[in-house]
Amino acid sequence: AQSVTQPDIHITVSEGASLELRCNYSYGATPYLFWYVQSPGQGLQLLLKYFSGDTLVQGIKGFEAEFKRSQSSFNLRKPSVHWSDAAEYFCAVKVTGGGNKLTFGTGTQLKVEL
Amino acid sequence: EAGVTQFPSHSVIEKGQTVTLRCDPISGHDNLYWYRRVMGKEIKFLLHFVKESKQDESGMPNNRFLAERTGGTYSTLKVQPAELEDSGVYFCASSSQGGRTEAFFGQGTRLTVV
Repeated sequence: AQSVTQPDIHITVSEGASLELRCNYSYGATPYLFWYVQSPGQGLQLLLKYFSGDTLVQGIKGFEAEFKRSQSSFNLRKPSVHWSDAAEYFCAVKVTGGGNKLTFGTGTQLKVEL
Repeated sequence: EAGVTQFPSHSVIEKGQTVTLRCDPISGHDNLYWYRRVMGKEIKFLLHFVKESKQDESGMPNNRFLAERTGGTYSTLKVQPAELEDSGVYFCASSSQGGRTEAFFGQGTRLTVV
């Protein structure tokens, strides 16, 4: 079955440490890939997206993600986490030719220790 | 430019009552989507409008849910009668086009059915 997997439900990192959030998808073809963030009391905000081309994409707030076709992964990274990055992060895919709906992973809750 | 606006932000209703959620998309966005996140689960697609037409309603859980988008502007999602399992956060999103475009999300409506 087609799916998006975020294996880490909760992650805790210290402020200033590096961060990597994992995302794997299971689809026959390469979908469009997205990372969204939801801060407390806020809506979903797009961090970055991948459609094609360069497999390393830069986003807002210092985040980047790398698409690896061989691993069906689109992991989110940040070299140095700030306390304001504490939020829930969602990986999402849009299947080409499958309409415009997004399929989301279950989310990863990030806690930042000062 | 105003983002996607949802009303109300919170709603608590009793089982068997009716609730109507409203979404105002970004001006000029023809595509409007509804999603839902039940506690502890992933965000799931409900339906997609293109202007006033339902393009894809494959995610609507049952006939107690009715979505409308009269005039192709704002949209409403009515739940009648509400059941306990309808509790969750309902998100609305809009985009200017399909395919290689991003969807912009509202802050969500938290619905609690007691």
